[in-house]
Amino acid sequence: GQQLNQSPQSMFIQEGEDVSMNCTSSSIFNTWLWYKQDPGEGPVLLIALYKAGELTSNGRLTAQFGITRKDSFLNISASIPSDVGIYFCAGENAGGTSYGKLTFGQGTILTVHP
Amino acid sequence: DAGVTQSPTHLIKTRGQQVTLRCSPKSGHDTVSWYQQALGQGPQFIFQYYEEEERQRGNFPDRFSGHQFPNYSSELNVNALLLGDSALYLCASSRGLAVADTQYFGPGTRLTVL
Repeated sequence: GQQLNQSPQSMFIQEGEDVSMNCTSSSIFNTWLWYKQDPGEGPVLLIALYKAGELTSNGRLTAQFGITRKDSFLNISASIPSDVGIYFCAGENAGGTSYGKLTFGQGTILTVHP
Repeated sequence: DAGVTQSPTHLIKTRGQQVTLRCSPKSGHDTVSWYQQALGQGPQFIFQYYEEEERQRGNFPDRFSGHQFPNYSSELNVNALLLGDSALYLCASSRGLAVADTQYFGPGTRLTVL
């Protein structure tokens, strides 16, 4: 099935560093979402973006909806050990009968060294 | 307020067998979506149930079927299991056919096919 291209696949950083990851698609989406998944858990929504060019923050997290509607990025500032986990981007084309059907990226595994 | 619950937590089956996974949505939610997450990959949309009907379907064979009950809980059935069906199966619930930012994911059922 289709998946978004998410990079990098993994990151090893020191506590306090900033992190950036991005996601690209060959298809347009009208909603972009970023999730975090911890071991043994389902994905938890971090940020949702609804308009091209939109820049949204949630604490130390900032995400942007690309102008072309085919990409998005997520930044984490001043990383802390609890940021460890797998981050996923997801796209949705909500409308008509198509709600809640998400297309996910492959994930970015984040490791934070204290 | 209980979140999305799934059972069982883990399951081991052999090729050719059939399996049934169960999901109870978050209180107040009436829509259930199922995703398959292979190891090291992002979740892939299987199908969505609303008002006891399958509303949307991803690119999965007919071996994958589902059901939604009047109390909004749902089952995912997989027939003639293949080794490639080994994955984490995630259930997500939402209220109505809303956009994805209102979806909550359960912890998943880990299926191993031997």
